[in-house]
Amino acid sequence: DTAVSQTPKYLVTQMGNDKSIKCEQNLGHDTMYWYKQDSKKFLKIMFSYNNKELIINETVPNRFSPKSPDKAHLNLHINSLELGDSAVYFCASSPIRRMNTEAFFGQGTRLTVV
Amino acid sequence: GQSLEQPSEVTAVEGAIVQINCTYQTSGFYGLSWYQQHDGGAPTFLSYNALDGLEETGRFSSFLSRSDSYGYLLLQELQMKDSASYFCAVRDYMDSSYKLIFGSGTRLLVRP
Repeated sequence: DTAVSQTPKYLVTQMGNDKSIKCEQNLGHDTMYWYKQDSKKFLKIMFSYNNKELIINETVPNRFSPKSPDKAHLNLHINSLELGDSAVYFCASSPIRRMNTEAFFGQGTRLTVV
Repeated sequence: GQSLEQPSEVTAVEGAIVQINCTYQTSGFYGLSWYQQHDGGAPTFLSYNALDGLEETGRFSSFLSRSDSYGYLLLQELQMKDSASYFCAVRDYMDSSYKLIFGSGTRLLVRP
């Protein structure tokens, strides 16, 4: 069973389109994240959700909006896609317990905007 | 704010030992973690240090000095499959929330 699964794995789309990436975790974790990894491999946190509540919203454009229908899902919607949005997007989850910082990542979604 | 620094690239030979350093600056520190990422893959958890000292897990060990805001990942008996990017990450607690912040990653190349 996959712990954190995100779909699609690859996404190629044109500028100006709206797209969504889905993420689900079956680990019972309280916290879910979205990260963006650019071509230089830098992993930048975008959002953090705890029990369906948005906790952290880093300085990302408001074209990006996370949606959490329940504790096990955190989807990412992107409106009016731009060339600079091309990157690999990772969903992750972790328990909130203080002494356990292991985060589990999905396989990533490679977004290419043309 | 938070920041982590680690070398961008390290090269070593098979069978050798390599150390990847990480210095960090953060307000609410709750531990230093290390992740491995192969090309095209997802980051996977390697180790975690909440307290000062050395944690050993097989060929990998991780060290933390909270007073120096410094840690390192030690890889022994290097194998070709260890060629990957290694990220240090700090768990920060601010404004009643946890945040996992990653360094820029160190690309390790293991040569025969």
